Amino acid sequence: DAGVIQSPRHEVTEMGQEVTLRCKPISGHNSLFWYRQTMMRGLELLIYFNNNVPIDDSGMPEDRFSAKMPNASFSTLKIQPSEPRDSAVYFCASSRQLFNSPLHFGNGTRLTVT
Amino acid sequence: AQTVTQSQPEMSVQEAETVTLSCTYDTSESDYYLFWYKQPPSRQMILVIRQEAYKQQNATENRFSVNFQKAAKSFSLKISDSQLGDAAMYFCAYGNGANSKLTFGKGITLSVRP
Repeated sequence: DAGVIQSPRHEVTEMGQEVTLRCKPISGHNSLFWYRQTMMRGLELLIYFNNNVPIDDSGMPEDRFSAKMPNASFSTLKIQPSEPRDSAVYFCASSRQLFNSPLHFGNGTRLTVT
Repeated sequence: AQTVTQSQPEMSVQEAETVTLSCTYDTSESDYYLFWYKQPPSRQMILVIRQEAYKQQNATENRFSVNFQKAAKSFSLKISDSQLGDAAMYFCAYGNGANSKLTFGKGITLSVRP
């Protein structure tokens, strides 16, 4: 079990640029979550998918954020255009769609927008 | 909406001593589950322990145990025989339903004094 794999681990970009974060969930997990962690707001759920279908995107801050899951083994979170306030650690997590199934997190991507 | 509150931002414990981290939550659901996650400086989110609300017995995992008080909506984590490797940020999380979506508290930073 390779765990949830996120890339890149660090991303530094300039304001206005497009940023794409990538995630490979654990094989066999059919739920995928994107969280954002900041000092001020803690861990916030941005969006989650069940069986590749977006179920709840109410946490996505604004239209600059978009997420896709084209297949069971890959998801992206895109920010276009990026702004300094988007600087945070972005986590991807996956789980089995079962009651009390824990989330398994990737190592996160630390995004810095200058 | 469910909320999770960790009112202590920081705590410190002497190595080999016992420490208790507090967490309260608010929900109108009767069937749910609770987790504690550990986030060391490496940033990885690690599952420490889980508790299903329908279980009266408190969960235990080696040196980690919980005190689950359903009526009081309280879910504290006790770490016995604290070790230097326990130094980390600890998050309490709430979930219900089959979608595995979790709501996290703001976290508490635990330091361990040698």
